[in-house]
Amino acid sequence: DGGITQSPKYLFRKEGQNVTLSCEQNLNHDAMYWYRQDPGQGLRLIYYSQIVNDFQKGDIAEGYSVSREKKESFPLTVTSAQKNPTAFYLCASRDRGGNQPQHFGDGTRLSIL
Amino acid sequence: ILNVEQSPQSLHVQEGDSTNFTCSFPSSNFYALHWYRWETAKSPEALFVMTLNGDEKKKGRISATLNTKEGYSYLYIKGSQPEDSATYLCASRYGQNFVFGPGTRLSVLP
Repeated sequence: DGGITQSPKYLFRKEGQNVTLSCEQNLNHDAMYWYRQDPGQGLRLIYYSQIVNDFQKGDIAEGYSVSREKKESFPLTVTSAQKNPTAFYLCASRDRGGNQPQHFGDGTRLSIL
Repeated sequence: ILNVEQSPQSLHVQEGDSTNFTCSFPSSNFYALHWYRWETAKSPEALFVMTLNGDEKKKGRISATLNTKEGYSYLYIKGSQPEDSATYLCASRYGQNFVFGPGTRLSVLP
């Protein structure tokens, strides 16, 4: 089955540590996205990538970093510079052709110990 | 940052009731409007992609309309069922990016 896999489902981080969230897709989509959700708010865009080896900052990129070395993978690193990292993180991908919708993973919930 | 709004924030209806909710978005530089259904413990799933003013789309008991000139879209559910309980998200596309609303949480009581 084609889809998007995010791992792990739950992640705990000590203050001052970097942590990487995995996102893999086998849909052959060029575009991939990372969103953050906080209670009562919509999904906010952290980073996006339209093609391999290229990515752009979204609305709330501070304290995060990404890489796009392979088409199927778009990992997100939450660095110690992110002051409020506790949130639910969603990865998405889409076919860039036409007006295609996004396909989402199941999300990763990150908590600070 | 562009702002997409949804109302109401939450909604409780009885099984069999019909319901509707609203997504408001900036009408300038509009490209497309997406609706998603997000059930608890699952990932969001696409319902509709709408692009043209006056567009009306339907999938079973769910339909949506679009007014790009005034910047709003309505989602209608006819004869709500408990399995319709979910958060309904709208997202406005600007270029290659999407701005999401906060969602409307629907609970259908049996």
